Amino acid sequence: ETGVTQTPRHLVMGMTNKKSLKCEQHLGHNAMYWYKQSAKKPLELMFVYNFKEQTENNSVPSRFSPECPNSSHLFLHLHTLQPEDSALYLCASSQDLMRISGANVLTFGAGSRLTVL
Amino acid sequence: AQSVTQLGSHVSVSEGALVLLRCNYSSSVPPYLFWYVQYPNQGLQLLLKYTTGATLVNGINGFEAEFKKSETSFHLTKPSAHMSDAAEYFCAVKRSGGSYIPTFGRGTSLIVHP
Repeated sequence: ETGVTQTPRHLVMGMTNKKSLKCEQHLGHNAMYWYKQSAKKPLELMFVYNFKEQTENNSVPSRFSPECPNSSHLFLHLHTLQPEDSALYLCASSQDLMRISGANVLTFGAGSRLTVL
Repeated sequence: AQSVTQLGSHVSVSEGALVLLRCNYSSSVPPYLFWYVQYPNQGLQLLLKYTTGATLVNGINGFEAEFKKSETSFHLTKPSAHMSDAAEYFCAVKRSGGSYIPTFGRGTSLIVHP
């Protein structure tokens, strides 16, 4: 496979469940991102990892827990979510954060559509 | 802080008509600007980017954008719309600071009528 692959594409969970979203990239990139896309809102950057190290956490509630075991994989662990957390969660990757020549173009996955009941 | 404003949450055009999607930026330094497109049930993909040099930038699928410093604008155009252009379009600007993470606008939904 090429590009950025996200699984599952759709997830329905109750507020007491624990689930995980998975993202995998085969582009040789070193930076990976989680974004939240809600209706009628701008894209919200959640977390950024660069060379497996978390470089950014934009005040995301602790019920979202990211994990980046290597530069190719990124997880978002979910527990005790709220209905307002229902959204499309997008994973993206880029060469790295400081790539001037490439201007850090992001490659996105197709997203995981999360519904919290 | 760097930011972008997209004018119009929805733009409707007829097939074959000119497409114009507006984006204005706010930046304290020379900006890096991007347009991304999101087709239904897909992630975002890069249409084109401006870093330095030529102010008229060509992208994929016949789209182009012109960087106008005097107007702080980076509008996206296409001479003739096709039904397959129906999608959500996002303007983005590189954030301030050392890293090259983009800040996205709210998006403009392009509707193409037959």
